[in-house]
Amino acid sequence: AQKITQTQPGMFVQEKEAVTLDCTYDTSDPSYGLFWYKQPSSGEMIFLIYQGSYDQQNATEGRYSLNFQKARKSANLVISASQLGDSAMYFCAMRRYTGNQFYFGTGTSLTVIP
Amino acid sequence: KAGVTQTPRYLIKTRGQQVTLSCSPISGHRSVSWYQQTPGQGLQFLFEYFSETQRNKGNFPGRFSGRQFSNSRSEMNVSTLELGDSALYLCASTTGTDEKLFFGSGTQLSVL
Repeated sequence: AQKITQTQPGMFVQEKEAVTLDCTYDTSDPSYGLFWYKQPSSGEMIFLIYQGSYDQQNATEGRYSLNFQKARKSANLVISASQLGDSAMYFCAMRRYTGNQFYFGTGTSLTVIP
Repeated sequence: KAGVTQTPRYLIKTRGQQVTLSCSPISGHRSVSWYQQTPGQGLQFLFEYFSETQRNKGNFPGRFSGRQFSNSRSEMNVSTLELGDSALYLCASTTGTDEKLFFGSGTQLSVL
């Protein structure tokens, strides 16, 4: 069974500081994709970053980077230089390549403090 | 390019009624997935349609059904509504080969 675990229900970070949101996953699939989505209060899920299980390098997208440690089955999201607009729910997700189905963690609520 | 469009944005129904939610994917996207989001259960996969065929199905009762039309637009139907069906229903589309899902803003369903 596939499982995504986000152990931090809520996080606070000072504006302009960096923050790491934790995500661990469990799968026996040899190939999979890992994603982070942001959900502001408006409800829409916004794609942030993607990491393939065979990618050698950690993914980066602007201020977002994914710290991928395959052996530990972790895919932590690092947000650098936090901004007030980063306040939102953040979801870690995994996609199996045997079907276009995503499994989501329970989310981390991030609050950026001015 | 227009994003994923879901209608209506808000919906209030009573127990026992049925409801139909609509989703228009991004132009060119052939895969449409539906997810239910609740505070208690989080985001749960309902089903996925690709080229008018249901390709994957989550663990939901038969009251939840869907379909996809030839223009890739999709509808989701819930019959005999229960209080526990109150949730944000999110639709997402992808080309079918692309890695990421593109989500709509969701339909907030309240069952009274």
